[in-house]
Amino acid sequence: GIQVEQSPPDLILQEGANSTLRCNFSDSVNNLQWFHQNPWGQLINLFYIPSGTKQNGRLSATTVATERYSLLYISSSQTTDSGVYFCVPGNAGNMLTFGGGTRLMVKP
Amino acid sequence: KAGVTQTPRYLIKTRGQQVTLSCSPISGHRSVSWYQQTPGQGLQFLFEYFSETQRNKGNFPGRFSGRQFSNSRSEMNVSTLELGDSALYLCASSFEAGANVLTFGAGSRLTVL
Repeated sequence: GIQVEQSPPDLILQEGANSTLRCNFSDSVNNLQWFHQNPWGQLINLFYIPSGTKQNGRLSATTVATERYSLLYISSSQTTDSGVYFCVPGNAGNMLTFGGGTRLMVKP
Repeated sequence: KAGVTQTPRYLIKTRGQQVTLSCSPISGHRSVSWYQQTPGQGLQFLFEYFSETQRNKGNFPGRFSGRQFSNSRSEMNVSTLELGDSALYLCASSFEAGANVLTFGAGSRLTVL
């Protein structure tokens, strides 16, 4: 299966700071999603981004499929951004393979 | 419109019992997938249903089963519960099977004593 490496594994930010999360994956994919899981377990789909760049408010994501990596930018972080961020590349439809994610804590 | 609804949200069972979890997808969504999340194994795919048919199944024992009804609602069942089945069970729906955006429910947190 596709191997996913996310960095950093853990990140602590002061509120208002910016950050970049990186995801490297081992094979070509036609599907890549970024999810945020809040401390209560709710998984929210942030971006469906197999290639290119998308922005949604303070968040943006870029995937360079040819080089097998994706980046998630968080600007002006807020405490509500805390949680785990998962990058999930795949080819097998809705049979997603999740890695360990990046655990983010934003301090007030 | 309403999101993905999972019931119950929390439940406690004892070893050897069985449990049934329910998932109502977003209206109009026909694909339902199930995932198990544990501290040790992380998030793992259980199975996917589309039009009442199981499309894919993850690497789980036969004690884990599921089904989908004609209204796209899905249930999963775990029989002969083991301590290691304690987990957050997440359901996700999408309009179609395949490479689509998934919307997850809030999960059902199962504790096996």
